[in-house]
Amino acid sequence: EAQVTQNPRYLITVTGKKLTVTCSQNMNHEYMSWYRQDPGLGLRQIYYSMNVEVTDKGDVPEGYKVSRKEKRNFPLILESPSPNQTSLYFCASSLFSFGTDNEKLFFGSGTQLSVL
Amino acid sequence: GENVEQHPSTLSVQEGDSAVIKCTYSDSASNYFPWYKQELGKRPQLIIDIRSNVGEKKDQRIAVTLNKTAKHFSLHITETQPEDSAVYFCAAKLVGNEKLTFGTGTRLTIIP
Repeated sequence: EAQVTQNPRYLITVTGKKLTVTCSQNMNHEYMSWYRQDPGLGLRQIYYSMNVEVTDKGDVPEGYKVSRKEKRNFPLILESPSPNQTSLYFCASSLFSFGTDNEKLFFGSGTQLSVL
Repeated sequence: GENVEQHPSTLSVQEGDSAVIKCTYSDSASNYFPWYKQELGKRPQLIIDIRSNVGEKKDQRIAVTLNKTAKHFSLHITETQPEDSAVYFCAAKLVGNEKLTFGTGTRLTIIP
């Protein structure tokens, strides 16, 4: 089944304790992206990647890192989490860049992160 | 960068009536405008999209219209049903930039 898999679904941690949220897609998609969803603010892009070893900042990259060593994986790293990073996080992927016929984004099931 | 404003933030309509959600964008170079639906506790899913070379697109009960001059686009849902209750997000893409900017969302409630 074609899907984007995120883990974990729920995560409670404490300030300053490094964490990684994993994202994997099995559709051979080139484009992958991370978003955070906060009430009243919608979906805001954190980082995106056009292909292996190609990543770029979105609108709210501060406090986050990403890597794209393999096409299928795009982990989100919080080196020193803070309470303002408490949010619902979504990973997404698409076959190719937007503006072509393959721009539909497939989202993962989300990770609810709480930083105490 | 691109800025997308979405209105209203909440919308309640009687079952069977129509619902309209409007978005405006700031950058006239944007050329792709998708709409995503997010049911409670679920992931967003694409329901319809439109490119800047088209003024309107329909898919059964949903349609999207685009006014490039005014830089706004709208989602129209006709004959609303309870399963249409969800949060709807519009988005816009900036040409030459792979960032997709979302609106803040509209919570649509269909009243039986």
